[in-house]
Amino acid sequence: DAGVIQSPRHEVTEMGQEVTLRCKPISGHNSLFWYRQTMMRGLELLIYFNNNVPIDDSGMPEDRFSAKMPNASFSTLKIQPSEPRDSAVYFCASSRDRGNTIYFGEGSWLTVV
Amino acid sequence: KQEVTQIPAALSVPEGENLVLNCSFTDSAIYNLQWFRQDPGKGLTSLLLIQSSQREQTSGRLNASLDKSSGRSTLYIAASQPGDSATYLCAVPGSSNTGKLIFGQGTTLQVKP
Repeated sequence: DAGVIQSPRHEVTEMGQEVTLRCKPISGHNSLFWYRQTMMRGLELLIYFNNNVPIDDSGMPEDRFSAKMPNASFSTLKIQPSEPRDSAVYFCASSRDRGNTIYFGEGSWLTVV
Repeated sequence: KQEVTQIPAALSVPEGENLVLNCSFTDSAIYNLQWFRQDPGKGLTSLLLIQSSQREQTSGRLNASLDKSSGRSTLYIAASQPGDSATYLCAVPGSSNTGKLIFGQGTTLQVKP
């Protein structure tokens, strides 16, 4: 299996622009997670889907952030409008079910200038 | 609220040394605990998953133990190698095993040749 696939790997954008991050989970996994990692705050869960349904979005920082999972093999995390404080590494991860090993993608490195 | 702490934050050892990384958590009602490795610029790789009913898990030179009652886990690395240099993170599920992982800040390990 190719593992969790994220795109883009790196993005530099100007403040105010829309950013869309994409994720393809491992086939057969029914749980998908979006995490954000910064030096100051470490790894934080933004949102968690189970069977394509958002279960916990309490970590989504504000209305500028939205996430969708239209089918079992694709998810997006959108930031509109982006701000410099959104600069971070955004990880997508998936697991077969709750309580099982979680597999992370390589991350999307976002810089907002 | 579950909190995860890792000590030390950084560790430097000569090659060949056996070492122990520590992880503590405040709420002992956990379903499992995972240890991850993160290389610079990369995503997280799951090393070991210990279920709440288990006391330890082994994979090669790695051994992870879990003591729920005391809220502690250790990751033991035997005969350390320069290739073990990375950041090691432990994580436990948030409340009700919803799939949300609470991460420690990590221990950055450097193994000197």
